[in-house]
Amino acid sequence: AQSVTQLDSHVSVSEGTPVLLRCNYSSSYSPSLFWYVQHPNKGLQLLLKYTSAATLVKGINGFEAEFKKSETSFHLTKPSAHMSDAAEYFCVVSDRDNAGNMLTFGGGTRLMVKP
Amino acid sequence: GAVVSQHPSRVICKSGTSVKIECRSLDFQATTMFWYRQFPKQSLMLMATSNEGSKATYEQGVEKDKFLINHASLTLSTLTVTSAHPEDSSFYICSARAGVTNEKLFFGSGTQLSVL
Repeated sequence: AQSVTQLDSHVSVSEGTPVLLRCNYSSSYSPSLFWYVQHPNKGLQLLLKYTSAATLVKGINGFEAEFKKSETSFHLTKPSAHMSDAAEYFCVVSDRDNAGNMLTFGGGTRLMVKP
Repeated sequence: GAVVSQHPSRVICKSGTSVKIECRSLDFQATTMFWYRQFPKQSLMLMATSNEGSKATYEQGVEKDKFLINHASLTLSTLTVTSAHPEDSSFYICSARAGVTNEKLFFGSGTQLSVL
């Protein structure tokens, strides 16, 4: 079984300050981990993914995440927030050794960016 | 990148009517499509998985007679909410997979269904 916990339902930062969105997971297999962003009235967009290569993953728009197996975490970070980063973010786990159908979504974190 | 088109983006209907939602992969063939439902302030929950040309596989607790899924071609899957009721009001989102792993998975923009 797999599960994902996003520790914060809402995060508010000021423009230009760092962003940290936390994600912890559990998985019976070697997981693939993803971060998706959902802007209003738009589809989910893949930010980055971890699939057993480098543990520090760089994504689009300056985001990155580090896979820490010992902590079962995959936190999303960005050095400097931009107003356009305001959106809903989902951490997702997929059991890589499984059939491949099972995606489990975290509860989502709404990021607010203040001017 | 690959694009998945979902239509309509928003629909309001009366209780007892049926609503069809379309999900199209625009520039790739999607052998597998997924349908998710998102309740307010909750995460996305997988409803069913559909493979082109075969019956959809529904997750536990999802009524297959209520949520009809058709995946007749490699670029189109439809979800029909039959005899909709207010409790069916939700955000529905589809995704389409290019290849056999979830590493090439693309999402539609979602459909907000409101049943009066």
